[in-house]
Amino acid sequence: ETGVTQSPTHLIKTRGQQVTLRCSSQSGHNTVSWYQQALGQGPQFIFQYYREEENGRGNFPPRFSGLQFPNYSSELNVNALELDDSALYLCASSLDRPHSGNTIYFGEGSWLTVV
Amino acid sequence: KQEVTQIPAALSVPEGENLVLNCSFTDSAIYNLQWFRQDPGKGLTSLLLIQSSQREQTSGRLNASLDKSSGRSTLYIAASQPGDSATYLCAVKWGGGADGLTFGKGTHLIIQP
Repeated sequence: ETGVTQSPTHLIKTRGQQVTLRCSSQSGHNTVSWYQQALGQGPQFIFQYYREEENGRGNFPPRFSGLQFPNYSSELNVNALELDDSALYLCASSLDRPHSGNTIYFGEGSWLTVV
Repeated sequence: KQEVTQIPAALSVPEGENLVLNCSFTDSAIYNLQWFRQDPGKGLTSLLLIQSSQREQTSGRLNASLDKSSGRSTLYIAASQPGDSATYLCAVKWGGGADGLTFGKGTHLIIQP
């Protein structure tokens, strides 16, 4: 039990639609990051938020956006869905500052299928 | 380009054996390195975190080592059990920015009863 919960666990969307994935972190975890994991691949870093501001981003287009809220919850929004967006989306949180090197705790993920 | 590679991609061994999983990274200026376990269709569970200044970390039957100069880390699993069957992922955080973790593709481990 990592204390990080994600919803929904599975969803199916049509190409071109928009999706919002949600994550609830442990209390006090100021840093949240999102990862995309395609089948058979390692997770890829999408972006990171620290105290409600994005402070790091991987190689993903602007149609991937996020929000972090004061209650340690966060969202990943993906617009104009493409077939290649089908993947497991993982939320991860950690305590303290982004560069502190603390252990990162992952949620169980949200499986997104785009048809 | 900063990359993480894991070898082998898959491994199947009889129960009770000691085994080593390998991870290599292209840039030695790492901030830390972390080993994760992932069960099928599930999220990641952190196993061991090694800071840049450390050489190894141990937890129970697991031992992870770090050699920055050669760009390598190993995860040693002693007395393997069927419950150890999972995918093991190595992830590197490189210093100097909030760039998240860079993962390898993982080693899929099967322990035969």
